[in-house]
Amino acid sequence: EAGVAQSPRYKIIEKRQSVAFWCNPISGHATLYWYQQILGQGPKLLIQFQNNGVVDDSQLPKDRFSAERLKGVDSTLKIQPAKLEDSAVYLCASSLGHMGSGETQYFGPGTRLLVL
Amino acid sequence: TQLLEQSPQFLSIQEGENLTVYCNSSSVFSSLQWYRQEPGEGPVLLVTVVTGGEVKKLKRLTFQFGDARKDSSLHITAAQPGDTGLYLCAGARGKLIFGQGTELSVKP
Repeated sequence: EAGVAQSPRYKIIEKRQSVAFWCNPISGHATLYWYQQILGQGPKLLIQFQNNGVVDDSQLPKDRFSAERLKGVDSTLKIQPAKLEDSAVYLCASSLGHMGSGETQYFGPGTRLLVL
Repeated sequence: TQLLEQSPQFLSIQEGENLTVYCNSSSVFSSLQWYRQEPGEGPVLLVTVVTGGEVKKLKRLTFQFGDARKDSSLHITAAQPGDTGLYLCAGARGKLIFGQGTELSVKP
């Protein structure tokens, strides 16, 4: 079974530029998550989708971050404009159903973003 | 403030030694998970503990969930270089809340 795919794996941009990350979850997984992992910290949930609807985006900086999952499968996370403090690994994860049940999340390899 | 505090943050030991990593919180979680993350990869689930006082073993790894479901520990017996990595605990409260991680280095 294929795992969670993410691209690109690495991205270097200058501050105030825009960037987009793509995620393809495991086939059949209804729930998709985007996390931000700053160096030396654990992942922090940015947004959670159940199919194509947003379940939780309480920690998403909505003035600069946006995400969509139009057909309930692939998802895109965008940052516009980027700031230096956005330098981090952006992880995508998916699960069969809703995390509230304590089920397993499967993580992709992440996209490493460096903002100069 | 960190909802889940892990300790120690860094641990460097010799092959064959034992170690324990702690994950503490003042909040109750419906379940707690432990992940291992290698450089350049995403976290991989090791175990989920659900019941207060629960103990689970995975080869040389022993996981325990506190009676009050607020804390957990991970004990590794006879550590090997292959155990090197970032160990993350994560509590479930509708969503996963991660600790800051413990960076483990096991030297041959």
